[in-house]
Amino acid sequence: AQSVAQPEDQVNVAEGNPLTVKCTYSVSGNPYLFWYVQYPNRGLQFLLKYITGDNLVKGSYGFEAEFNKSQTSFHLKKPSALVSDSALYFCAVSPLSGGYNKLIFGAGTRLAVHP
Amino acid sequence: DSGVTQTPKHLITATGQRVTLRCSPRSGDLSVYWYQQSLDQGLQFLIQYYNGEERAKGNILERFSAQQFPDLHSELNLSSLELGDSALYFCASSVGGTRSYNEQFFGPGTRLTVL
Repeated sequence: AQSVAQPEDQVNVAEGNPLTVKCTYSVSGNPYLFWYVQYPNRGLQFLLKYITGDNLVKGSYGFEAEFNKSQTSFHLKKPSALVSDSALYFCAVSPLSGGYNKLIFGAGTRLAVHP
Repeated sequence: DSGVTQTPKHLITATGQRVTLRCSPRSGDLSVYWYQQSLDQGLQFLIQYYNGEERAKGNILERFSAQQFPDLHSELNLSSLELGDSALYFCASSVGGTRSYNEQFFGPGTRLTVL
């Protein structure tokens, strides 16, 4: 079965420090991977995606993610965290079969950036 | 603002009742997706419509149904409501329906409370 794991419920980081939010996946074939962010009382916002090509994907708000096929991981990173980055982050995978776009989400990781 | 609108923002109702949630996709998007977000189940895909036709089904209960109208807006109908149906319901839209790499754009959600 296809699944996404976000092993950390919460990540704490000081402002200005680099941050990493971890994601591993289990899918058959080559995955399409996504990161979304959810701010309080808001819908999910698309950050970035990996389809094919360069393993380092750049997205919105200075975020990037590294695809590692051998480790089946797609970790979200940012070189210098901001307090405003504090939010709930979701990793998602899209299955390749069936010709549709259903997203399978991880449980989410709460990022807390402290001043 | 993602361009996806959902109404109402909040809905409070009693067990056994029926409610309708409405979604208008971004201009030009043909696919509409419905997701349920709850504390115990996380973000779960319910159903996808593409240009008026059902394209994919996820963990959607038989008490729930959806449709997409000719103007591409969608409605999610929830009937015989139970306490456990209390959740945040998101609608998302995307350009296509047959390519898994299209990112989805989420609405702000409808918070349903069943008393």
